[in-house]
Amino acid sequence: GAVVSQHPSWVICKSGTSVKIECRSLDFQATTMFWYRQFPKQSLMLMATSNEGSKATYEQGVEKDKFLINHASLTLSTLTVTSAHPEDSSFYICSARSSGGPYNEQFFGPGTRLTVL
Amino acid sequence: DAKTTQPPSMDCAEGRAANLPCNHSTISGNEYVYWYRQIHSQGPQYIIHGLKNNETNEMASLIITEDRKSSTLILPHATLRDTAVYYCIVRGYNFNKFYFGSGTKLNVKP
Repeated sequence: GAVVSQHPSWVICKSGTSVKIECRSLDFQATTMFWYRQFPKQSLMLMATSNEGSKATYEQGVEKDKFLINHASLTLSTLTVTSAHPEDSSFYICSARSSGGPYNEQFFGPGTRLTVL
Repeated sequence: DAKTTQPPSMDCAEGRAANLPCNHSTISGNEYVYWYRQIHSQGPQYIIHGLKNNETNEMASLIITEDRKSSTLILPHATLRDTAVYYCIVRGYNFNKFYFGSGTKLNVKP
């Protein structure tokens, strides 16, 4: 199957700093990528849809100024958590839709664990 | 998208078949049933999907009832590495978004 990578795999930062997480589709082009957040023992929560060359669309209740998304190319989307606070500590997962694939499934990255001190 | 209902947890003996049920009674005619699983601290992994016919691949089988209101994911010979949270998701084929429910935690025991 198609491969999606994330970098970094884990990050620890101080409260008030910003953190950037990268999501790359390694062997396919993805016009659309998605960002999820997962708290311990909970399910994945869709945060936003990242569209190449246009503004991201955010799910209800997700602060777009807090979670900046940039989808500058067909293989890269970035999520920047601005002015991070301890409550932003979570597991962030991206996925990419293989627009060229026959089944329209999504492929998920391995996740990035963010810890804000 | 239709809402899905899954049991919170199930146990299965290693080597036996694991049958994971999913209820999606409000599914509409153009919505597919997708199954993903998430092993601890990893991203979800695609397993299988179907519309109305039963499907089988190298990982699992998907049985969808005739009225499409429920489905069962079958892992024919569960191994310890199949211990994970399994998510059943219903989504229209041309829709992008996946909304995850609470899933079923499958515990495969030796």
